[in-house]
Amino acid sequence: AQSVAQPEDQVNVAEGNPLTVKCTYSVSGNPYLFWYVQYPNRGLQFLLKYITGDNLVKGSYGFEAEFNKSQTSFHLKKPSALVSDSALYFCAVRDGNSGYALNFGKGTSLLVTP
Amino acid sequence: GAGVSQSPRYKVAKRGQDVALRCDPISGHVSLFWYQQALGQGPEFLTYFQNEAQLDKSGLPSDRFFAERPEGSVSTLKIQRTQQEDSAVYLCASRPPGNEQFFGPGTRLTVL
Repeated sequence: AQSVAQPEDQVNVAEGNPLTVKCTYSVSGNPYLFWYVQYPNRGLQFLLKYITGDNLVKGSYGFEAEFNKSQTSFHLKKPSALVSDSALYFCAVRDGNSGYALNFGKGTSLLVTP
Repeated sequence: GAGVSQSPRYKVAKRGQDVALRCDPISGHVSLFWYQQALGQGPEFLTYFQNEAQLDKSGLPSDRFFAERPEGSVSTLKIQRTQQEDSAVYLCASRPPGNEQFFGPGTRLTVL
């Protein structure tokens, strides 16, 4: 079984400040972890993934995420937020040993204010 | 290149009607997935195809839901005798021989 928890329904941050969107996971095998962003009336856009290797993963639009095996976390970060980053963010996991479908969290709404 | 496309983008159905939702994956992508996203929730897995073979349909919520991909490219998700609880956004995704899935814009189904 696999699951993802995104403990915050909404994150508010001022433009130019760093942002963090939290994600913790549970998976029986090797965790393959993903972040997607969803803008209104649009599908999910891939941001970044962790499969293996360096725990710090860099992705699109200046986002990065840190894989922490001991804390089973994969928090999304950005050093300096933009108003245009305001969107819905989803963390997802799949079991790298045997899975194929993604298991998503419920999403975190990010609001960046000018 | 073109991404995953879905049609229609919006569908309103009366309860009891049958609907068919279409997905055109990225050319050459072997794997295709359908997800259901209820309002305020993350997407939930419905079914998975590898080429034309439906390898997993464990997420389909009832036998009113049926999916096919007869030639290993375009896929159709059919819902028979729609119910109000079927109202959701239906997302299609395809995946190359890698690990990330590429999603279409979704079809928003509203059942009245």
